[in-house]
Amino acid sequence: AQSVTQLDSQVPVFEEAPVELRCNYSSSVSVYLFWYVQYPNQGLQLLLKYLSGSTLVESINGFEAEFNKSQTSFHLRKPSVHISDTAEYFCAVRPPYGGSQGNLIFGKGTKLSVKP
Amino acid sequence: EAQVTQNPRYLITVTGKKLTVTCSQNMNHEYMSWYRQDPGLGLRQIYYSMNVEVTDKGDVPEGYKVSRKEKRNFPLILESPSPNQTSLYFCATTTSGTSGTGELFFGEGSRLTVL
Repeated sequence: AQSVTQLDSQVPVFEEAPVELRCNYSSSVSVYLFWYVQYPNQGLQLLLKYLSGSTLVESINGFEAEFNKSQTSFHLRKPSVHISDTAEYFCAVRPPYGGSQGNLIFGKGTKLSVKP
Repeated sequence: EAQVTQNPRYLITVTGKKLTVTCSQNMNHEYMSWYRQDPGLGLRQIYYSMNVEVTDKGDVPEGYKVSRKEKRNFPLILESPSPNQTSLYFCATTTSGTSGTGELFFGEGSRLTVL
């Protein structure tokens, strides 16, 4: 079985500062990894994903995440945040095969609060 | 436009009054799922469906029912709602099978309050 731990429930940061949201996972098999973002009063949207290949993946709005197999981590980073990045961020994993075992497992979320 | 549509978006009801939250998708996805989101607990899966007429329990199925009579619809039924079912509910869909990445597409959520 897989599990996901997001190490910080809340991360306050000033605008234009760098940020890292931490995610560790536990799995006995290889996994696909995802970061979802939830803006206030909205549903979740996919931010970025790692399936295979390059361990560094990027989103269109400047976020990046690096898959580290030895540390079983998939931390999300942004070098300079904006007020509009204020949201809750969820890390998720699933095994690469489908079927009932293919359900996404979510972490409990990290609330990023960007202050002016 | 690819969409997952939930209704109602907001509902206040009383204990014991049956209600249904509908979910409809236009992406021809086989897999559909319901989650509830509670502060500090993240998203927890209630039920999921791999295809028409195939449903299975998630992590927190107690007090809920689902049906999957058509590919596009996956309603969530609360036969006798209780206050501990006050929550934010999300429907999500994806393609099934080994060829899919498992990326979920979410509806905008239904906020339910049970008094």
